[in-house]
Amino acid sequence: TQLLEQSPQFLSIQEGENLTVYCNSSSVFSSLQWYRQEPGEGPVLLVTVVTGGEVKKLKRLTFQFGDARKDSSLHITAAQPGDTGLYLCAGADRGGGADGLTFGKGTHLIIQP
Amino acid sequence: EAQVTQNPRYLITVTGKKLTVTCSQNMNHEYMSWYRQDPGLGLRQIYYSMNVEVTDKGDVPEGYKVSRKEKRNFPLILESPSPNQTSLYFCASSLYEGSGTEAFFGQGTRLTVV
Repeated sequence: TQLLEQSPQFLSIQEGENLTVYCNSSSVFSSLQWYRQEPGEGPVLLVTVVTGGEVKKLKRLTFQFGDARKDSSLHITAAQPGDTGLYLCAGADRGGGADGLTFGKGTHLIIQP
Repeated sequence: EAQVTQNPRYLITVTGKKLTVTCSQNMNHEYMSWYRQDPGLGLRQIYYSMNVEVTDKGDVPEGYKVSRKEKRNFPLILESPSPNQTSLYFCASSLYEGSGTEAFFGQGTRLTVV
């Protein structure tokens, strides 16, 4: 089983600050996804990155896939309380989709007003 | 509305009493999967299915069974539940096998085995 290490595990910051969450592996993935999970709900896809070096932006969120396709980062600019949640990265190795995802343990993010 | 529906949302049961958690998707997805989520361990795949009558073990299949008799349904069966199966369970589906295909998750089933 391929492993994905996420850091930090927990992060609590003030509204308006910037932050970066990391997702690292020693294995190469065909693609990498970022999900956000709120209490009492299932994870919801934020973005998928496929090409090494790829950068995608979703409003204040910037996602980057490492050149070697082994790691990824999520940067949030001017964090808002609504960004609070569990952020999960997931790597696709067997082809992707519901059958082929390996998840990191997640980063619990709290944005305090 | 496109969705993955799990039932029940909450379940408390006793050791050894067989139970089934149902999962249904209305998106005509080929691929379905079950995960369990535990503190400090993250999401771990239990079983997955690439199509009707095709199922395979994930990373933590011991103590679980699944079936895929219809495309839309993928029930998770615990023949003899034990306390170490107390967890939050998620069913997920995706359209096809392909890098970067989005997985759609149900709302989860919180199971407690006493």
